[in-house]
Amino acid sequence: AIQMTQSPSSLSASVGDRVTITCRASQGIRNDVGWYQQKPGKAPKLLIYAASTLQSGVPSRFSGTGSGTDFTLTISSLQPEDFATYYCLQDYNSPRTFGQGTKVEIK
Amino acid sequence: EVQLVESGGGLVQPGGSLRLSCAASGFTFSIYWMTWVRQAPGKGLEWVANIKQDGGEKNYVDSVKGRFTISRDNAKNSLYLQMNSLRAEDTAVYFCARDAGPSGYDLLDYWGQGTLVTVSS
Repeated sequence: AIQMTQSPSSLSASVGDRVTITCRASQGIRNDVGWYQQKPGKAPKLLIYAASTLQSGVPSRFSGTGSGTDFTLTISSLQPEDFATYYCLQDYNSPRTFGQGTKVEIK
Repeated sequence: EVQLVESGGGLVQPGGSLRLSCAASGFTFSIYWMTWVRQAPGKGLEWVANIKQDGGEKNYVDSVKGRFTISRDNAKNSLYLQMNSLRAEDTAVYFCARDAGPSGYDLLDYWGQGTLVTVSS
């Protein structure tokens, strides 16, 4: 199975900060990556698919880049509602695999 | 409005069985792949299984192969996960999610609220 190595596992940031989260795949996966946000006790929410396409209704401060093995989720200006855990997911093949998650906490 | 509602979770002894259901509404269920994802308490997300629109293709994570079976009933707009030979490590919240459809993209764009499965004696 493809491994998705996500980093960092956690970070502390302030409102207005620029935040970057990365995922590295154990093999090339084209642009077959999605990014999800999860808040405590809630289901995950799709933010980005196909590595860089913003899901409908998601604020434009979220963006994704990458292709092949290296992928990045960026939040350009962190807002209070963005404090959550973020996961990447490869959908290149089955079994699909999530990254370990990045918890974004208030500094 | 797209809705996915899971049910069937509960407490079961190791070695036991449980069948989860996911009732879908607000979209044409039969034209979408569907997926199960789980999350152990305090842990990250784990993809479990998915199923093609007509049920003709199913994929599983290695840890559940031979024990879990994903299925669907398009006439009832329902997704299922039959879980046998349950182990303590299967304890998790199980989410169903809508998967690839007419867009051609693989994405889990709608999720249920989850149902908790606890495997313990």
